[in-house]
Amino acid sequence: GQQVMQIPQYQHVQEGEDFTTYCNSSTTLSNIQWYKQRPGGHPVFLIQLVKSGEVKKQKRLTFQFGEAKKNSSLHITATQTTDVGTYFCAVRFSGSARQLTFGSGTQLTVLP
Amino acid sequence: EPEVTQTPSHQVTQMGQEVILRCVPISNHLYFYWYRQILGQKVEFLVSFYNNEISEKSEIFDDQFSVERPDGSNFTLKIRSTKLEDSAMYFCASSAGQDNQPQHFGDGTRLSIL
Repeated sequence: GQQVMQIPQYQHVQEGEDFTTYCNSSTTLSNIQWYKQRPGGHPVFLIQLVKSGEVKKQKRLTFQFGEAKKNSSLHITATQTTDVGTYFCAVRFSGSARQLTFGSGTQLTVLP
Repeated sequence: EPEVTQTPSHQVTQMGQEVILRCVPISNHLYFYWYRQILGQKVEFLVSFYNNEISEKSEIFDDQFSVERPDGSNFTLKIRSTKLEDSAMYFCASSAGQDNQPQHFGDGTRLSIL
Protein backbone atom coordinates (compact mmCIF):
# COMPACT_ATOMS: atom_id res chain seq x y z
CA GLY A 1 0.00 0.00 0.00
CA GLN A 2 0.93 3.65 -0.17
CA GLN A 3 3.27 4.74 2.57
CA VAL A 4 4.82 7.91 3.85
CA MET A 5 8.35 8.03 5.20
CA GLN A 6 9.24 10.34 8.04
CA ILE A 7 12.79 11.15 9.17
CA PRO A 8 14.58 11.24 11.48
CA GLN A 9 13.03 8.74 13.87
CA TYR A 10 14.65 10.41 16.87
CA GLN A 11 16.22 13.81 17.42
CA HIS A 12 17.95 15.10 20.52
CA VAL A 13 18.71 18.82 20.63
CA GLN A 14 19.95 21.28 23.19
CA GLU A 15 17.40 23.86 24.20
CA GLY A 16 17.71 26.79 21.82
CA GLU A 17 18.79 24.70 18.83
CA ASP A 18 16.63 24.29 15.78
CA PHE A 19 14.81 21.10 14.78
CA THR A 20 13.44 19.81 11.49
CA THR A 21 11.44 16.72 10.62
CA TYR A 22 10.74 15.60 7.06
CA CYS A 23 7.90 13.68 5.52
CA ASN A 24 8.28 12.06 2.08
CA SER A 25 5.90 10.23 -0.21
CA SER A 26 6.55 8.48 -3.50
CA THR A 27 3.13 9.54 -4.76
CA THR A 28 1.36 12.86 -4.92
CA LEU A 29 -0.50 13.96 -1.84
CA SER A 30 -3.88 15.60 -1.67
CA ASN A 31 -3.04 17.32 1.58
CA ILE A 32 -0.93 16.87 4.67
CA GLN A 33 -1.60 17.49 8.33
CA TRP A 34 0.88 17.67 11.19
CA TYR A 35 0.16 16.44 14.70
CA LYS A 36 2.08 16.56 17.96
CA GLN A 37 1.83 13.84 20.58
CA ARG A 38 3.25 14.52 24.02
CA PRO A 39 4.57 11.49 25.97
CA GLY A 40 1.55 9.56 27.23
CA GLY A 41 -0.82 11.85 25.37
CA HIS A 42 -2.92 11.83 22.24
CA PRO A 43 -2.19 13.39 18.83
CA VAL A 44 -3.03 17.08 18.69
CA PHE A 45 -3.62 18.79 15.36
CA LEU A 46 -1.11 21.51 14.48
CA ILE A 47 -1.67 22.53 10.87
CA GLN A 48 -2.91 21.47 7.45
CA LEU A 49 -1.20 22.18 4.12
CA VAL A 50 -3.10 21.86 0.87
CA LYS A 51 -1.44 23.93 -1.85
CA SER A 52 1.76 23.19 -3.72
CA GLY A 53 4.66 25.15 -2.22
CA GLU A 54 2.58 26.33 0.70
CA VAL A 55 4.37 27.70 3.75
CA LYS A 56 2.62 28.33 7.06
CA LYS A 57 4.01 29.64 10.33
CA GLN A 58 2.85 29.26 13.90
CA LYS A 59 5.15 31.26 16.19
CA ARG A 60 8.42 29.27 16.15
CA LEU A 61 7.03 26.51 13.90
CA THR A 62 7.32 26.67 10.10
CA PHE A 63 5.54 24.16 7.89
CA GLN A 64 6.28 23.67 4.20
CA PHE A 65 4.61 21.65 1.47
CA GLY A 66 6.80 20.74 -1.50
CA GLU A 67 6.17 22.04 -4.99
CA ALA A 68 5.41 18.53 -6.23
CA LYS A 69 3.15 17.84 -3.22
CA LYS A 70 5.18 14.78 -2.33
CA ASN A 71 7.06 16.05 0.69
CA SER A 72 6.72 18.34 3.65
CA SER A 73 8.76 19.61 6.54
CA LEU A 74 8.21 20.99 10.01
CA HIS A 75 10.90 23.29 11.36
CA ILE A 76 11.08 24.54 14.94
CA THR A 77 13.31 27.53 15.64
CA ALA A 78 15.02 27.82 19.02
CA THR A 79 13.49 24.76 20.66
CA GLN A 80 12.12 24.88 24.17
CA THR A 81 11.53 22.04 26.63
CA THR A 82 7.81 22.40 25.97
CA ASP A 83 8.45 21.24 22.39
CA VAL A 84 9.22 17.71 23.61
CA GLY A 85 7.04 15.06 21.99
CA THR A 86 6.57 13.08 18.82
CA TYR A 87 5.69 14.96 15.65
CA PHE A 88 3.67 13.04 13.09
CA CYS A 89 2.80 13.95 9.55
CA ALA A 90 -0.53 12.55 8.37
CA VAL A 91 -1.28 12.51 4.68
CA ARG A 92 -4.08 11.94 2.25
CA PHE A 93 -2.94 10.42 -1.03
CA SER A 94 -4.41 11.78 -4.23
CA GLY A 95 -7.15 9.54 -5.53
CA SER A 96 -10.20 7.95 -4.02
CA ALA A 97 -8.88 7.03 -0.56
CA ARG A 98 -9.67 9.74 1.95
CA GLN A 99 -8.24 8.18 5.09
CA LEU A 100 -5.33 9.77 6.89
CA THR A 101 -2.07 7.81 6.75
CA PHE A 102 0.31 8.69 9.53
CA GLY A 103 4.06 8.79 9.23
CA SER A 104 6.19 6.93 11.75
CA GLY A 105 6.85 10.13 13.67
CA THR A 106 9.93 11.97 14.89
CA GLN A 107 10.49 11.84 18.63
CA LEU A 108 12.01 15.11 19.79
CA THR A 109 13.95 15.37 23.02
CA VAL A 110 15.04 18.82 24.17
CA LEU A 111 17.87 18.89 26.67
CA PRO A 112 17.85 21.85 29.08
CA GLU B 1 -13.15 23.74 24.37
CA PRO B 2 -15.18 20.63 23.40
CA GLU B 3 -13.34 17.34 23.67
CA VAL B 4 -13.59 13.78 22.48
CA THR B 5 -13.99 11.55 25.51
CA GLN B 6 -13.12 7.87 25.69
CA THR B 7 -13.88 5.19 28.26
CA PRO B 8 -12.40 3.26 29.85
CA SER B 9 -8.91 4.71 30.02
CA HIS B 10 -7.47 1.21 30.52
CA GLN B 11 -9.05 -2.15 29.73
CA VAL B 12 -7.51 -5.48 30.66
CA THR B 13 -9.09 -8.50 29.00
CA GLN B 14 -8.38 -12.19 28.64
CA MET B 15 -7.48 -13.39 25.15
CA GLY B 16 -10.57 -14.56 23.30
CA GLN B 17 -12.93 -12.28 25.15
CA GLU B 18 -14.98 -9.55 23.55
CA VAL B 19 -14.24 -5.94 24.36
CA ILE B 20 -16.14 -2.73 23.66
CA LEU B 21 -14.38 0.60 23.64
CA ARG B 22 -16.52 3.68 23.96
CA CYS B 23 -16.19 7.19 22.62
CA VAL B 24 -18.24 10.36 22.75
CA PRO B 25 -17.25 12.52 19.77
CA ILE B 26 -17.55 16.29 19.75
CA SER B 27 -21.26 17.00 19.50
CA ASN B 28 -21.47 18.88 16.19
CA HIS B 29 -18.96 16.66 14.38
CA LEU B 30 -20.15 14.37 11.60
CA TYR B 31 -17.16 12.14 10.92
CA PHE B 32 -15.82 9.62 13.42
CA TYR B 33 -12.68 7.53 13.38
CA TRP B 34 -10.87 4.80 15.24
CA TYR B 35 -7.08 4.49 15.23
CA ARG B 36 -4.74 2.25 17.10
CA GLN B 37 -1.17 2.82 18.24
CA ILE B 38 0.95 -0.09 19.34
CA LEU B 39 3.41 1.04 22.02
CA GLY B 40 6.20 3.15 20.52
CA GLN B 41 4.84 2.90 16.98
CA LYS B 42 2.87 5.08 14.62
CA VAL B 43 -0.81 5.81 14.64
CA GLU B 44 -2.68 3.40 12.35
CA PHE B 45 -6.06 4.08 10.77
CA LEU B 46 -8.74 1.49 11.45
CA VAL B 47 -12.06 2.88 10.26
CA SER B 48 -14.01 6.01 9.45
CA PHE B 49 -17.75 6.41 9.98
CA TYR B 50 -20.19 8.88 8.52
CA ASN B 51 -23.97 9.04 8.26
CA ASN B 52 -24.36 5.86 10.29
CA GLU B 53 -22.19 3.71 8.11
CA ILE B 54 -18.54 2.83 7.57
CA SER B 55 -17.03 5.05 4.89
CA GLU B 56 -13.54 3.54 4.84
CA LYS B 57 -11.66 0.82 6.64
CA SER B 58 -8.11 -0.46 6.65
CA GLU B 59 -6.75 -3.97 6.29
CA ILE B 60 -6.42 -4.12 10.07
CA PHE B 61 -10.18 -3.74 10.45
CA ASP B 62 -11.11 -7.35 9.75
CA ASP B 63 -14.23 -9.33 10.68
CA GLN B 64 -13.24 -9.29 14.34
CA PHE B 65 -13.89 -5.55 14.47
CA SER B 66 -17.14 -3.67 14.30
CA VAL B 67 -18.28 -0.12 15.00
CA GLU B 68 -21.61 1.22 16.03
CA ARG B 69 -23.30 4.49 16.88
CA PRO B 70 -25.97 3.14 19.23
CA ASP B 71 -27.42 6.54 20.06
CA GLY B 72 -26.91 10.20 19.22
CA SER B 73 -23.74 10.59 21.23
CA ASN B 74 -21.77 7.36 21.59
CA PHE B 75 -19.49 5.71 19.04
CA THR B 76 -18.18 2.26 19.91
CA LEU B 77 -15.51 -0.12 18.69
CA LYS B 78 -16.07 -3.82 19.38
CA ILE B 79 -13.40 -6.46 19.09
CA ARG B 80 -15.16 -9.81 19.01
CA SER B 81 -12.48 -12.28 20.07
CA THR B 82 -9.37 -10.49 21.23
CA LYS B 83 -5.87 -11.63 20.39
CA LEU B 84 -2.60 -10.81 22.08
CA GLU B 85 -1.62 -8.59 19.17
CA ASP B 86 -4.68 -6.42 19.73
CA SER B 87 -2.89 -4.90 22.72
CA ALA B 88 -2.48 -1.23 21.87
CA MET B 89 -3.74 2.24 22.57
CA TYR B 90 -6.99 2.86 20.73
CA PHE B 91 -7.81 6.44 19.84
CA CYS B 92 -11.18 7.75 18.78
CA ALA B 93 -11.27 10.95 16.74
CA SER B 94 -13.91 13.16 15.21
CA SER B 95 -14.02 15.96 12.68
CA ALA B 96 -16.55 18.48 11.43
CA GLY B 97 -15.85 17.62 7.79
CA GLN B 98 -13.65 15.07 6.12
CA ASP B 99 -10.95 16.15 3.74
CA ASN B 100 -9.80 19.54 4.97
CA GLN B 101 -10.74 19.45 8.61
CA PRO B 102 -8.56 18.70 11.62
CA GLN B 103 -9.28 15.53 13.53
CA HIS B 104 -9.72 15.86 17.26
CA PHE B 105 -8.46 12.90 19.22
CA GLY B 106 -9.58 11.54 22.56
CA ASP B 107 -7.15 10.52 25.29
CA GLY B 108 -7.34 6.90 24.18
CA THR B 109 -8.08 3.53 25.76
CA ARG B 110 -5.12 1.37 26.59
CA LEU B 111 -6.15 -2.21 25.80
CA SER B 112 -4.10 -4.97 27.37
CA ILE B 113 -4.79 -8.55 26.31
CA LEU B 114 -3.58 -11.27 28.66
